[in-house]
Amino acid sequence: AQRVTQPEKLLSVFKGAPVELKCNYSYSGSPELFWYVQYSRQRLQLLLRHISRESIKGFTADLNKGETSFHLKKPFAQEEDSAMYYCALSGNSGYALNFGKGTSLLVTP
Amino acid sequence: EADIYQTPRYLVIGTGKKITLECSQTMGHDKMYWYQQDPGMELHLIHYSYGVNSTEKGDLSSESTVSRIRTEHFPLTLESARPSHTSQYLCASSDTGTNYGYTFGSGTRLTVV
Repeated sequence: AQRVTQPEKLLSVFKGAPVELKCNYSYSGSPELFWYVQYSRQRLQLLLRHISRESIKGFTADLNKGETSFHLKKPFAQEEDSAMYYCALSGNSGYALNFGKGTSLLVTP
Repeated sequence: EADIYQTPRYLVIGTGKKITLECSQTMGHDKMYWYQQDPGMELHLIHYSYGVNSTEKGDLSSESTVSRIRTEHFPLTLESARPSHTSQYLCASSDTGTNYGYTFGSGTRLTVV
């Protein structure tokens, strides 16, 4: 079975502080992992995908197969980063993504 | 503009009514999906389609049905709405493979009274 766990429902940090949103997964094969973001009153959108190893809006995420993790990191949080973040995994279902429960990030001034 | 469109955005309907939630995409994507999401909660896959005349049920048991007669159109139907169907329904599409992720619609927030 494949599963995505985001242990923090809410994460609050000060502007300029580093932020790490945790994501752990359970999957026996080679996963495809993604981070999605939903800003207030906007639709869910792709933030980044592990296969591209890119940095988007200062965020990065590294796939750690040993720890089965795909944590999202940013060295200096900004107020506009406040949003709901979802980690997602594509595995057994082929292309259909399994989503975690999401972490609400609040960046305060 | 190439995008994915869901209508209606909001719907309040009485118990027992038949409803169809519309989803259309103009990106030429082969794959389309329906997710159910309660506020602040995870997304649950309820249906997906890998192409015309292909539909599959997802992980979450659902009393809804879908059809995929045209590539761009993936409507979801509830034959008899119940209060337990109250939720947000998100439609998404993706190109061949998932390396580029999904494009999501704005969602339909359904309330059954």
